[in-house]
Amino acid sequence: DIVMTQSPTSMSISVGDRVTMNCKASQNVGSNVDWYQQKTGQSPKLLIYKASNRYTGVPDRFTGSGSGTDFTFTISNMQAEDLAVYYCMQSNSYPPTFGGGTKLELK
Amino acid sequence: EVQLVESGGGLVQPGRSLKLSCAASGFTFSNYYMAWVRQAPKKGLEWVATISTSGSRTYYPDSVKGRFTISRDNAKSSLYLQMNSLKSEDTATYYCARPGATVVTFAYWGQGTLVTVSS
Repeated sequence: DIVMTQSPTSMSISVGDRVTMNCKASQNVGSNVDWYQQKTGQSPKLLIYKASNRYTGVPDRFTGSGSGTDFTFTISNMQAEDLAVYYCMQSNSYPPTFGGGTKLELK
Repeated sequence: EVQLVESGGGLVQPGRSLKLSCAASGFTFSNYYMAWVRQAPKKGLEWVATISTSGSRTYYPDSVKGRFTISRDNAKSSLYLQMNSLKSEDTATYYCARPGATVVTFAYWGQGTLVTVSS
């Protein structure tokens, strides 16, 4: 199975910050990486698919990039409502596998 | 509006069985692959099963293969997960999910149903 390693596991941030997190695949997954946001007590929500495509209705402060084994997710202007755990997932091959998540907390 | 509503969770003893259901609405159910994804308490996400539009193809990770069976009833717009030989490590919130941009990408999620496996 493809292992997705996210870093860092947590970040202390302030409103207005630029936030960047990473996801590394154990083998080449092309551009087949999605990013999900999960707020406390809620179901996950798709933000980015195929590495860099913003899903319908997702604000443009959320961006994704990367290909092959290394992927980056950025929030350009952190808002309080963006506090959540963010997961990457490879959708290149079965089984689809998730990273362990990056938790954003207020400084 | 796409809606996915899971039901059937609860407390079950190790070794027993449980069947989850997901009622779908707001889209043409028969046109989409469907999936189950779970999340153990305070843990990350784990894909559990996927089924093709007709139900002829199913996919599972090794952790549940041979114990779990995904199925669907397109006439009822319903998705199911039959879970047998349950183990404590199957304790999790189980989400029904529908693809969006790609067959595997999970664009829509239900609210989840909690399964607790304990004696």
